[in-house]
Amino acid sequence: AQKVTQAQTEISVVEKEDVTLDCVYETRDTTYYLFWYKQPPSGELVFLIRRNSFDEQNEISGRYSWNFQKSTSSFNFTITASQVVDSAVYFCALSEPENYGQNFVFGPGTRLSVLP
Amino acid sequence: DTEVTQTPKHLVMGMTNKKSLKCEQHMGHRAMYWYKQKAKKPPELMFVYSYEKLSINESVPSRFSPECPNSSLLNLHLHALQPEDSALYLCASSQAPGTVTYEQYFGPGTRLTVT
Repeated sequence: AQKVTQAQTEISVVEKEDVTLDCVYETRDTTYYLFWYKQPPSGELVFLIRRNSFDEQNEISGRYSWNFQKSTSSFNFTITASQVVDSAVYFCALSEPENYGQNFVFGPGTRLSVLP
Repeated sequence: DTEVTQTPKHLVMGMTNKKSLKCEQHMGHRAMYWYKQKAKKPPELMFVYSYEKLSINESVPSRFSPECPNSSLLNLHLHALQPEDSALYLCASSQAPGTVTYEQYFGPGTRLTVT
């Protein structure tokens, strides 16, 4: 069973629009970590955020914000006032306690295209 | 500095060749990872080294042989690969896990083509 679902395969927006990328996860553990990564066309995965299961506070970093809701097992990512440089594939990932959390399970990714 | 470097950036090899991919980090991280990523797919974990010891091998074929000479270096030795092994190979590092799971920092990858 897929543990991390990103239902949106591709999203296209026009610059300055807000966009939300969805992430739904599945786990039986009470302790786990969630991550978001950005992969631009260059290929390198860029770390964006880490959140543990006991911290449900939403977070804002510049134009980026994250909404973590344990009740719906979701960890959604919003980009406000999108820019062309935001065009990339975004991956949500889950880490569970097995193997000291080193085995990240990535979602299938959402390809975001921001058009000028 | 959160840099992980990988060499080479591109590699083309025949099925009978032997080659190596190299990865280096100077962040003092004690865990290092190899991932394989096919086009339009998420990264798939191959190997994990913690404190220079192999801690996870995700049932990877023996034609892939990892090596961790020291805490800063990670190699992936390739031998007798198949065309389906063509992919982007990503290296990552993180602080050694304990009660906290830390984020992994990724290198730019080596794009491998097997002919």
